[in-house]
Amino acid sequence: AQKVTQAQTEISVVEKEDVTLDCVYETRDTTYYLFWYKQPPSGELVFLIRRNSFDEQNEISGRYSWNFQKSTSSFNFTITASQVVDSAVYFCALSEAGSGYSTLTFGKGTMLLVSP
Amino acid sequence: NAGVTQTPKFQVLKTGQSMTLQCAQDMNHNSMYWYRQDPGMGLRLIYYSASEGTTDKGEVPNGYNVSRLNKREFSLRLESAAPSQTSVYFCASRLQDRGLYEQYFGPGTRLTVT
Repeated sequence: AQKVTQAQTEISVVEKEDVTLDCVYETRDTTYYLFWYKQPPSGELVFLIRRNSFDEQNEISGRYSWNFQKSTSSFNFTITASQVVDSAVYFCALSEAGSGYSTLTFGKGTMLLVSP
Repeated sequence: NAGVTQTPKFQVLKTGQSMTLQCAQDMNHNSMYWYRQDPGMGLRLIYYSASEGTTDKGEVPNGYNVSRLNKREFSLRLESAAPSQTSVYFCASRLQDRGLYEQYFGPGTRLTVT
């Protein structure tokens, strides 16, 4: 079973639409960290956010917001008023206390295409 | 600071050839990682080094070897390249302190094995 599931392989939206990228994780640890990374067409991986398992407050950063719900093991990412520059592959990842936090397990990614 | 650097950026090998991918970081991070990225598969961990002097296998270690040369450098070696190793390879580093810190990635090496 996948530890991090991003069920949406590809999403296409028109500019200014809101879009939510889903991430569901699986862990037996009570202490863990969740991450989102962005990979634009240029190929580099850019860190977006880190969240620990004890902090369920939603986070907002400009047009980006994250909703962490332990009850459903989800850490979803919403882009408000999407722009063409948001087109990228987005990865969700998990780091667990059981592994000493030494590794990240990535989901398979969601490709977001924002058209003008 | 250059962050995480990788060489080469592109490489074409013939089946059976060997090569070493180089990775260096100047952020004084103690943990370093090698991933491969294939279409539809996300990033899969090949090997990692939690600290200088240690290396461990990740999810897909077969066909690869690594060397943590010092705190800054972590190399990945393909002894006998196979077409299945055609991929984009990313090196990453992290300041290991429980789970507090994110991984920083290099620009990647695109490897084609014919």
